Amino acid sequence: AQSVAQPEDQVNVAEGNPLTVKCTYSVSGNPYLFWYVQYPNRGLQFLLKYITGDNLVKGSYGFEAEFNKSQTSFHLKKPSALVSDSALYFCAVRDGGWTGNQFYFGTGTSLTVIP
Amino acid sequence: DGGITQSPKYLFRKEGQNVTLSCEQNLNHDAMYWYRQDPGQGLRLIYYSQIVNDFQKGDIAEGYSVSREKKESFPLTVTSAQKNPTAFYLCASTQQGYKGGAKNIQYFGAGTRLSVL
Repeated sequence: AQSVAQPEDQVNVAEGNPLTVKCTYSVSGNPYLFWYVQYPNRGLQFLLKYITGDNLVKGSYGFEAEFNKSQTSFHLKKPSALVSDSALYFCAVRDGGWTGNQFYFGTGTSLTVIP
Repeated sequence: DGGITQSPKYLFRKEGQNVTLSCEQNLNHDAMYWYRQDPGQGLRLIYYSQIVNDFQKGDIAEGYSVSREKKESFPLTVTSAQKNPTAFYLCASTQQGYKGGAKNIQYFGAGTRLSVL
């Protein structure tokens, strides 16, 4: 069965400091991994994805994520946090085969960047 | 929010009433999805459809129904059988594909917030 875990409900970080939002996954085949961001009362916006290739993936707004197969993790990172990064972040996984049509989302991590 | 339009933005349901949430996409995507979002529970899949006139139940389909008569439209009906419908509902679509690129990315609408009167 496919699943995603985001172990932290809330992450607080000071503006200008690096941030990390954690995600671990479980999938039967090769994983397709995604990060999305949600602002209040809005839909989810795509940030970045890992399908294959380099383990370090760069995405929108200066975010990046590192795929670690041995630890089954896909942590989201940013070198220097901005107040405007404060939002709800979701990690998602999809089985990479033809039959993996469902996306599985974590419970979300609320990021607060403190000025 | 890409090319996905959800309406209305806010919806109120009375006891015993069925209500329908609209989702339209102009991205020419094959697959469409409905999710329910509750605080602290992330997104839970209600129904999804890979092609016209076909759809599959997700994890929490009870009390909901869908149709997919046109590629661009995937309305969700919350029936009176759904006893706790208050939630934020999100529609998404994706172009199916085996390898990466723009395929496999889910694009989301702005959501509909449903409350019970």
